[in-house]
Amino acid sequence: GQQVMQIPQYQHVQEGEDFTTYCNSSTTLSNIQWYKQRPGGHPVFLIQLVKSGEVKKQKRLTFQFGEAKKNSSLHITATQTTDVGTYFCAGLLHMLTFGGGTRLMVKP
Amino acid sequence: NAGVTQTPKFRVLKTGQSMTLLCAQDMNHEYMYWYRQDPGMGLRLIHYSVGEGTTAKGEVPDGYNVSRLKKQNFLLGLESAAPSQTSVYFCASRSTENTGELFFGEGSRLTVL
Repeated sequence: GQQVMQIPQYQHVQEGEDFTTYCNSSTTLSNIQWYKQRPGGHPVFLIQLVKSGEVKKQKRLTFQFGEAKKNSSLHITATQTTDVGTYFCAGLLHMLTFGGGTRLMVKP
Repeated sequence: NAGVTQTPKFRVLKTGQSMTLLCAQDMNHEYMYWYRQDPGMGLRLIHYSVGEGTTAKGEVPDGYNVSRLKKQNFLLGLESAAPSQTSVYFCASRSTENTGELFFGEGSRLTVL
């Protein structure tokens, strides 16, 4: 079945450093979504990417969808303590399948 | 406008007991979902519904049943709870109009002893 793998599982960074999480699918996706879950909270939608090679930016966050529509990345520039949480990708083929998430911890 | 509301937020069960989790959304969404979240495993889809009166199995449906008698409500039932069902359960909904964005409830933490 469809699988979505996400790495790394955990990442500690110093405040101000950059952070990247990667998402890979075993199959070509229709689109990919990214969510953020704060500690103790629920997932909140960040963005959806649909087109091959698409790049979208939200302030310090940059999202990319691979040319083959099988991988994606989220890059955060100059992390802040407010970026703490777990970031999930979710790939859509027949149904939305979530990756295992990357937990980001930021040291002030 | 409350969005997606889940009840209860916390519950402790003994093995073999039954219970129902309720999800209610006030956004007139067609699609509703039940996920479970376990450490390091992301969100796994249990069951989903594409409209009132319809339900379908997701990735991990065994041990659970669902009903969607009203458009705004999606119920998740455990007939005979097992310790392996200890988890955090999230309900989500989305409209048929696509961004495809899922709106999540705040979660229900279930412990089965």
